[in-house]
Amino acid sequence: DAGVIQSPRHEVTEMGQEVTLRCKPISGHNSLFWYRQTMMRGLELLIYFNNNVPIDDSGMPEDRFSAKMPNASFSTLKIQPSEPRDSAVYFCASSLAGTSNQPQHFGDGTRLSIL
Amino acid sequence: GENVEQHPSTLSVQEGDSAVIKCTYSDSASNYFPWYKQELGKRPQLIIDIRSNVGEKKDQRIAVTLNKTAKHFSLHITETQPEDSAVYFCAASKHGNKLVFGAGTILRVKS
Repeated sequence: DAGVIQSPRHEVTEMGQEVTLRCKPISGHNSLFWYRQTMMRGLELLIYFNNNVPIDDSGMPEDRFSAKMPNASFSTLKIQPSEPRDSAVYFCASSLAGTSNQPQHFGDGTRLSIL
Repeated sequence: GENVEQHPSTLSVQEGDSAVIKCTYSDSASNYFPWYKQELGKRPQLIIDIRSNVGEKKDQRIAVTLNKTAKHFSLHITETQPEDSAVYFCAASKHGNKLVFGAGTILRVKS
């Protein structure tokens, strides 16, 4: 079975540029999560969706970050304009939504470097 | 909001010994507690989870215990092997699937 698929795996770009990260959740999963991982702050939840609807975006650092989920099989996380402090590994995870919590499965991540 | 504290930050054990990692949480409404293992440069992978209606769960060499009264839960790895070396994260969640992670524990198993 295909897991959560993220692209690109690595991204290096100059500050000020727009960055778009992509995620395809596991087929049948209806919850999708975007996380950021850094040494200083650990694993932080940025935003999550249930049934393509954003439920909680309180972790989005600022207006430069935006996320969309136009359909059940695709989500994007966009940073515009990018800054060096955005350098991190960005993970997407998916799970089944329901009345009880379900395990989240992570993608391989996108390692983002902003120069 | 929920706050999860994890200890120790690093743990070094001899191969064959046991390792214990402890986490505490602040929100008594939390009811789901997964543990993730992350190897260097890889994604976090779920290794075991426990729900609040259960006090203990075991899967081969890995076990998790939960004390709801004290709001803490622990990961136990027995007969450690070099391939157990990784960063381990605990997390807590209440209804809604939003996970709050601990800061992680670097486990080194020396052979």
